[in-house]
Amino acid sequence: EPEVTQTPSHQVTQMGQEVILRCVPISNHLYFYWYRQILGQKVEFLVSFYNNEISEKSEIFDDQFSVERPDGSNFTLKIRSTKLEDSAMYFCASSEALTGVKNIQYFGAGTRLSVL
Amino acid sequence: AQKITQTQPGMFVQEKEAVTLDCTYDTSDQSYGLFWYKQPSSGEMIFLIYQGSYDEQNATEGRYSLNFQKARKSANLVISASQLGDSAMYFCAISTSGGSYIPTFGRGTSLIVHP
Repeated sequence: EPEVTQTPSHQVTQMGQEVILRCVPISNHLYFYWYRQILGQKVEFLVSFYNNEISEKSEIFDDQFSVERPDGSNFTLKIRSTKLEDSAMYFCASSEALTGVKNIQYFGAGTRLSVL
Repeated sequence: AQKITQTQPGMFVQEKEAVTLDCTYDTSDQSYGLFWYKQPSSGEMIFLIYQGSYDEQNATEGRYSLNFQKARKSANLVISASQLGDSAMYFCAISTSGGSYIPTFGRGTSLIVHP
C-alpha cells in the first residue's frame, strides 16, 4: 500500500540552526501538507502546497518556515534559526484531491524535532 | 470557522467490548467531511474512516463505524470488538469549503484497552 515517507524520524539540533525535514508524498497525490504537533497537544496545520506553490498557510507558518518541492518526488520543510519552541512532531501529509472523499489526507510517520 | 470538540480525554474498555468515542463539530458550511485518525504511541497518524456531510449511510471500515448524527452535529467513532492494539490516541477532524478544506483537529481521546 502506498505511503507517505518522512526522513529523518528524529532530528536533534541546536537552537539557531537550520533544519530541513523531508517527505516523499504518495506518488499520484497532488496536494501536500505540513502539520506540527507539540507534545501532548493537537495537530496544527502549517501549510498546504499545490501545483508548486503554497495554497494555504497558517499564522504559525511565518518567515522562519519555507517549503519546497525540489524534484518530482520530494517535499521539504525548512525551519531557519530554530527556537526551543519549535520542538515538536512534524507531519507531512498528502491527498489525491481537495474535496470530497478523495481529500483524505494520508500522513507520514512524522519527524520528531528536538531543539536544544 | 470550524471546530471539533472531543470531550473525553481518556476512555477505558475491556478487550472484545465495543467503545464509542465522542466527537461534536461546529460549522456553518453545508458541505464538509469528517475524519477519524488513530495515533499509537509510536506517533504516526493513521487514517481510519471518513464521512461526508451528504452521505446518507453511516461510514464503516471493518471494526470502525461512524455514528453520524447531522442534526446533533456529532460524528462518534464506534470501535467494535476492541483489541489491545487499539490502545492509542484518537483524533476527530473536520474539513469544510469555508476552511479551504484544511482539516481542523480535536484535542483527541486516549483509549486504553484492558485485557
